[in-house]
Amino acid sequence: AQSVTQLDSQVPVFEEAPVELRCNYSSSVSVYLFWYVQYPNQGLQLLLKYLSGSTLVESINGFEAEFNKSQTSFHLRKPSVHISDTAEYFCAVSGTSGSARQLTFGSGTQLTVLP
Amino acid sequence: GAVVSQHPSWVICKSGTSVKIECRSLDFQATTMFWYRQFPKQSLMLMATSNEGSKATYEQGVEKDKFLINHASLTLSTLTVTSAHPEDSSFYICSARRQGVDGYTFGSGTRLTVV
Repeated sequence: AQSVTQLDSQVPVFEEAPVELRCNYSSSVSVYLFWYVQYPNQGLQLLLKYLSGSTLVESINGFEAEFNKSQTSFHLRKPSVHISDTAEYFCAVSGTSGSARQLTFGSGTQLTVLP
Repeated sequence: GAVVSQHPSWVICKSGTSVKIECRSLDFQATTMFWYRQFPKQSLMLMATSNEGSKATYEQGVEKDKFLINHASLTLSTLTVTSAHPEDSSFYICSARRQGVDGYTFGSGTRLTVV
């Protein structure tokens, strides 16, 4: 079984400042890692994912996350945030095969970008 | 590509009535669909996993007679909340898994309010 811990439930930050949303996971098997974003009253949209290969993955809108196996972390970062980045962010993990492939979500981090 | 349509987006019903929520994969075949429940300011909790043509697998603590799941085709899964009560009010989200390891696509969610 897998578990995900998002250490910060709320992160307020000023526009154009950098931000880091922390995510740690626990698993007895190999994992895939995901970050999803949710806007109010909407479903989840995939932001980025780590499956294999390079440990640094990037999204099209400037977010990046780095898989750190030794620290079992997958923190999400953006060097300069915009007002439109205000949303709930969920880190998720899945196993790589069989029944372990279902997603397990963290508790979410509300990112609020202030003008 | 990879669009999941969830309908309705919101519904208000009287206590004791039943409500059906549909989840359709519009441009791919989804052999597996997932149903989640999300309380305000909380993460997504997996309710059940449904595989086309077979009975759904419910997570511990989820009443299968109350939350009926049908996955009769490769593009449609339905969740019926039977004899709804106010405590069933929540945000319900479906997800469909495509071929491949990164194939989780989420519906836009259904806000259920039982009065």
